[in-house]
Amino acid sequence: GQNIDQPTEMTATEGAIVQINCTYQTSGFNGLFWYQQHAGEAPTFLSYNVLDGLEEKGRFSSFLSRSKGYSYLLLKELQMKDSASYLCAVRGGESGYSTLTFGKGTMLLVSP
Amino acid sequence: GAGVSQSPSNKVTEKGKDVELRCDPISGHTALYWYRQSLGQGLEFLIYFQGNSAPDKSGLPSDRFSAERTGGSVSTLTIQRTQQEDSAVYLCASSFRGGSSYEQYFGPGTRLTVT
Repeated sequence: GQNIDQPTEMTATEGAIVQINCTYQTSGFNGLFWYQQHAGEAPTFLSYNVLDGLEEKGRFSSFLSRSKGYSYLLLKELQMKDSASYLCAVRGGESGYSTLTFGKGTMLLVSP
Repeated sequence: GAGVSQSPSNKVTEKGKDVELRCDPISGHTALYWYRQSLGQGLEFLIYFQGNSAPDKSGLPSDRFSAERTGGSVSTLTIQRTQQEDSAVYLCASSFRGGSSYEQYFGPGTRLTVT
C-alpha cells in the first residue's frame, strides 16, 4: 500500500518560522507537491519538488529527500493569513503516474 | 483568466437518488481530475482524463460512480443511487497536461449531502 504522513495540527506565532514535515511510502514517485487550503476553499498550489534539495519561493520553501521518503514545507515570517491546512501530495503512487495521492493535511494555526 | 468552475456549489439529495456534478476546466488544459474530500480525510483521487485517452478510473469507489468528459472540456461526475457515505466535497482540478511539473488547479468544489 501507500502511506503519506504529516502532523494533524501545528501552532505558531505571527512572525515566526514553522516547518511542516511529510513522510511518504508509495509504490512510485513522480514528484511531490504542497498545496494550501483555507477552510471552505479549494486547494492552491504552493510548491513542487521532483529532485532532491530545496526549492525556495518567497516566504515558502520546500525540501525533498527521495532516499528518505521525506519532504518539508518551511514557512517564514508567518502571517495570520497563513492559518490554513497544508496538504502534501505525491504523484505517481498507486493511483497512477500522473495522479496525486494526498496526505490528510496539517492544520496550521497562526496566533498573534 | 477564468479558473476551474464547478456546479452546483451545494447539493442536498435523498438517499437512493442520482446526482450529476459538473466541472468546467481552465481553457486549454488537457488533463482533468476528480477528487473527493470527506471530513477529516485527505483528498481521495477518483478519476483522471488526459486528452482523448481512455480515462484512468482506478479511484472510483464503486460502479455507482461514473464520469464523462465531452469534447475534451466539460466533465460530469454521476453518482447513482446515492448513499450517506457519499456525502463529501467533490473537487475537480485541471492541468495543462498530466505528468511533469504542471500543477493542478482546483475548482471550488461541490458539497454533496445525502440525507
